[in-house]
Amino acid sequence: DVKVTQSSRYLVKRTGEKVFLECVQDMDHENMFWYRQDPGLGLRLIYFSYDVKMKEKGDIPEGYSVSREKKERFSLILESASTNQTSMYLCASSTTSGGAREQYFGPGTRLTVT
Amino acid sequence: SQKIEQNSEALNIQEGKTATLTCNYTNYSPAYLQWYRQDPGRGPVFLLLIRENEKEKRKERLKVTFDTTLKQSLFHITASQPADSATYLCAPVASYNTDKLIFGTGTRLQVFP
Repeated sequence: DVKVTQSSRYLVKRTGEKVFLECVQDMDHENMFWYRQDPGLGLRLIYFSYDVKMKEKGDIPEGYSVSREKKERFSLILESASTNQTSMYLCASSTTSGGAREQYFGPGTRLTVT
Repeated sequence: SQKIEQNSEALNIQEGKTATLTCNYTNYSPAYLQWYRQDPGRGPVFLLLIRENEKEKRKERLKVTFDTTLKQSLFHITASQPADSATYLCAPVASYNTDKLIFGTGTRLQVFP
């Protein structure tokens, strides 16, 4: 079974702190994604990586950066956390081969910025 | 810009009935569309994919249709059970040359005994 793990289920940070969210997948997937999910807004893509060291901005990249130094690990960085970044953050991975290309999601990190 | 619409109101149905959820998209024509299930506090789980040249796809009690003329996908759960209660997300692919998906906001299904 594909497994996507995220470093924390719950996180509380203060405004202005630098925050690191880590995601690891164990299926050698090429693609990795970071989303945030807010009530009424659904899942919105923050960043997408299609290979090691390769990244592409999603719909809402402002205030975030990412790092992918190894294929299995994709990190989301909040450079200076703000209260409007309080949200559920979901990581996902998918392969570039095969038909379905379904995304496998981690359990999510609920981040609260105070 | 691309827009994905799912009924934001919860769908309440009785056990044993067929649940039908709707996904409408505008301003583009996706090559394929996926459906996911999400339980509270968890990440979405993939259910089905349907391609633009397929009218219908089935998996056990699940059926998905894809009408490229109406720009609509319907997701059906037959013989619904309380365990089917969850939020269901529609996710068309963003464009032809990417694996990025655009997720709808989801429809919450509640199946009562």
